[in-house]
Amino acid sequence: QKEVEQDPGPLSVPEGAIVSLNCTYSNSAFQYFMWYRQYSRKGPELLMYTYSSGNKEDGRFTAQVDKSSKYISLFIRDSQPSDSATYLCAMSANSGAGSYQLTFGKGTKLSVIP
Amino acid sequence: NAGVTQTPKFQVLKTGQSMTLQCAQDMNHNSMYWYRQDPGMGLRLIYYSASEGTTDKGEVPNGYNVSRLNKREFSLRLESAAPSQTSVYFCASSTVRDGNSPLHFGNGTRLTVT
Repeated sequence: QKEVEQDPGPLSVPEGAIVSLNCTYSNSAFQYFMWYRQYSRKGPELLMYTYSSGNKEDGRFTAQVDKSSKYISLFIRDSQPSDSATYLCAMSANSGAGSYQLTFGKGTKLSVIP
Repeated sequence: NAGVTQTPKFQVLKTGQSMTLQCAQDMNHNSMYWYRQDPGMGLRLIYYSASEGTTDKGEVPNGYNVSRLNKREFSLRLESAAPSQTSVYFCASSTVRDGNSPLHFGNGTRLTVT
């Protein structure tokens, strides 16, 4: 089992739809959870960043972490064509003796159709 | 602010040629990273520099060398390019190398080795 699993899609939705993007993970040491958005031919840009469990909202975007289920989600409300991009989840852990691990999902490609 | 700047944006090499990818950040970050992104493989860490004066191997270091020239600049060198090194290369930086410091990415260098 890979440490981080993310459905690659592609996912196609009509404009205005609610989008749900998800990742599962196996490493219970992960504490920091991030979502990056990557437009075509651009670098990933940080979209949401959360620590531990719970929800975080930023405008139309909500990040949700369920550590008991090892499951994170990104919800996009009132999706727009400008949301069309690849969304990468990432998670990290500070382990003992100064070690550190950051793991990315492979990304889900989203298209929002006008 | 420019953030993370990578040069060149595109490059075509013949097998066996060498080249250096340049990266500079203006965010006063301590840590810098080189990733490659391939279809179906996601982002894979090549090398990182936790702080000025230090460099360490990541997941896929073979065929690459790096230099942390100063706090701002981190270069990636391919001594003898191979077709397997055809990829998109991303440089990233973070405040420090821990879970509380998300990465900021450049827009990539698209490299083709024929």
